[in-house]
Amino acid sequence: QITLKESGPTLVKPTQTLTLTCTFSGFSLSTSGVGVGWIRQPPGKALEWLALIYWDDDKRYSPSLKSRLTITKDTSKNQVVLTMTNMDPVDTATYYCAHRRSDFGYWGQGTLVTVSS
Amino acid sequence: QSALTQPPSASGSPGQSVTISCTGTTSDVGGYNYVSWYQQHPGKAPKLMIYEVTKRPSGVPDRFSGSKSGNTASLTVSGLQAEDEADYYCSSYAGSNFVVFGGGTKLTVL
Repeated sequence: QITLKESGPTLVKPTQTLTLTCTFSGFSLSTSGVGVGWIRQPPGKALEWLALIYWDDDKRYSPSLKSRLTITKDTSKNQVVLTMTNMDPVDTATYYCAHRRSDFGYWGQGTLVTVSS
Repeated sequence: QSALTQPPSASGSPGQSVTISCTGTTSDVGGYNYVSWYQQHPGKAPKLMIYEVTKRPSGVPDRFSGSKSGNTASLTVSGLQAEDEADYYCSSYAGSNFVVFGGGTKLTVL
């Protein structure tokens, strides 16, 4: 049974750096073809893909946010960490992590991050 | 990369069929058979409904089907039921391990 859960701060101030952790179980990020991605959704708006990290440590970022994002993995801890720098109120959103092969087949429950002073 | 284009809304009466389109380019939808569809109810995480254009995960009713023609993928929901009312998002592989989502479609069951 694959499960994922996001954790991190619920409130960050403008210009701060956001660090989110995805803790998962039921699969290994050292298995060929497996990836973990981050997707966000501002209130009332659409899903937006942010970043992906694969079993072989290949990393991909949304071109529009590439300069602000870093994704890393700790295979031994079954965790993936996303950092986003220079947070702005427009970054207020629910942030999801999800398991990926050819699709995002399993999602975490999401964590709402509010950016406000 | 630009977001895939979906109609903002769609609707149908119970028992009817409705089709939601998802238009991309030859760099994403048209170039790969890796289009997926997600259902999202309010306050919930998205749920995978269709993957690799036409395949249904275990547990997804066969009322949900997917197809693709050129740069446009489609999700058809047949025999609409009240519980199908939700937001639907398409997503496509965009080459080099990149991913793109659509803008979402709100499906209303009248």
